[in-house]
Amino acid sequence: EAQVTQNPRYLITVTGKKLTVTCSQNMNHEYMSWYRQDPGLGLRQIYYSMNVEVTDKGDVPEGYKVSRKEKRNFPLILESPSPNQTSLYFCASSLWQANNEQFFGPGTRLTVL
Amino acid sequence: AQKVTQAQTEISVVEKEDVTLDCVYETRDTTYYLFWYKQPPSGELVFLIRRNSFDEQNEISGRYSWNFQKSTSSFNFTITASQVVDSAVYFCALSTTSGTYKYIFGTGTRLKVLA
Repeated sequence: EAQVTQNPRYLITVTGKKLTVTCSQNMNHEYMSWYRQDPGLGLRQIYYSMNVEVTDKGDVPEGYKVSRKEKRNFPLILESPSPNQTSLYFCASSLWQANNEQFFGPGTRLTVL
Repeated sequence: AQKVTQAQTEISVVEKEDVTLDCVYETRDTTYYLFWYKQPPSGELVFLIRRNSFDEQNEISGRYSWNFQKSTSSFNFTITASQVVDSAVYFCALSTTSGTYKYIFGTGTRLKVLA
């Protein structure tokens, strides 16, 4: 089954404790992206990747890191999480570039205390 | 700057009414793509439609239709004879392919269809 998976689905952590949210897709997509969804703000792009070893900032990259060592995986790293990073996070992938429909993961609900 | 505006935060209609969700976008690029996604109460994001900047033809898919007008930078979405299952948050999005490859979403419109 074609899908985008994210883990964990729910995470409660404390300020400053490094964490990684994994994202994996099995569709051989080139483009992958991370978004955060906050009430009243819609979805905002954090980082995107055009292909392996090619990443670029979205509109809200501060406080986040990503890597794309393999085509299928695109982890989101919070080196020192803060309460303002409490949010719902979605990973997505599309065939190539940003002009194709995106397939979204189920979301990760992160709470930083 | 690129921007997507969905001015309607929340709309409530009674079942079987028609409803139009507005989307206005801003971009200086000549080549761009517009999308609509649906987020039902269960939380997943579901793709509905993609339209490129060179194709202004309106599209109809069952009870759903989309009206793309470059002259007003709008890409509106109409649901005909709404049903309770249409209750969801609907997002309009814009992507461009010149220089950066960002994906910009609007803030969403929450549609409530009452039985």
